[in-house]
Amino acid sequence: DIQLTQSPSFLSTFVGDRVTVTCRASQGIFNSVAWYQQKPGKAPNLLIYAASAVQGGVPSRFSGSGSGTEFTLTITSLQPEDVAIYYCQQYNEYPLTFGGGTKVEIK
Amino acid sequence: QVQLQESGPGLVKSSETLSLTCSVSGDSVSDYSWSWIRQPAGKGLEWIGRAHSGGFTNYNPSLKSRATLSVDASKNEFSLRLTSVTAADTAVYYCTKARGGTGHNGWKDNYYGMYVWGHGTTVTVSS
Repeated sequence: DIQLTQSPSFLSTFVGDRVTVTCRASQGIFNSVAWYQQKPGKAPNLLIYAASAVQGGVPSRFSGSGSGTEFTLTITSLQPEDVAIYYCQQYNEYPLTFGGGTKVEIK
Repeated sequence: QVQLQESGPGLVKSSETLSLTCSVSGDSVSDYSWSWIRQPAGKGLEWIGRAHSGGFTNYNPSLKSRATLSVDASKNEFSLRLTSVTAADTAVYYCTKARGGTGHNGWKDNYYGMYVWGHGTTVTVSS
């Protein structure tokens, strides 16, 4: 199975700050990565697919990049409504796997 | 607008079989990939398996062949059966919809990501 390691597992920063979450894969997975946002008590919501394609309706402050084994989710200016857990997911091969999540909070 | 609704028993006894259904409204179950994802309380996401209306299925080996997924086009729904449940199967279960596409390394069943999710249904396994 392909393991996905997210870092950091937790971050707390200020409104307006730039936030970067990293996802590293145990082997090359081209650009077969999606990112999801999960708010408390809610189902995850797709933000990014194919490593860098932004899902329709997602605010432009969210972006994704990377290929191979290292991927990044960036929030250019953190907003209070962005408090959530963020997960990366690979779909290059089965079984599909998720990273362990990054919890983002506001200071 | 596509909506997914999970249904099934909230409580299942240990060693019995869990059966969940995902009803699809606003779209047909045909020509998409339908997955089940679960999440134990306070923990991360685990992919259980995927089914396509064409009869193709893929499963997470971690479930040791206990899971069976199927798609019923006549009812526009898909389902999950999980046998021999234990307390470790206690979780919120989500159904999801994905669409395939061609990327840098060929066709991927979930290329566009899981872009529709149900609200989730909580399943507790009791002893």
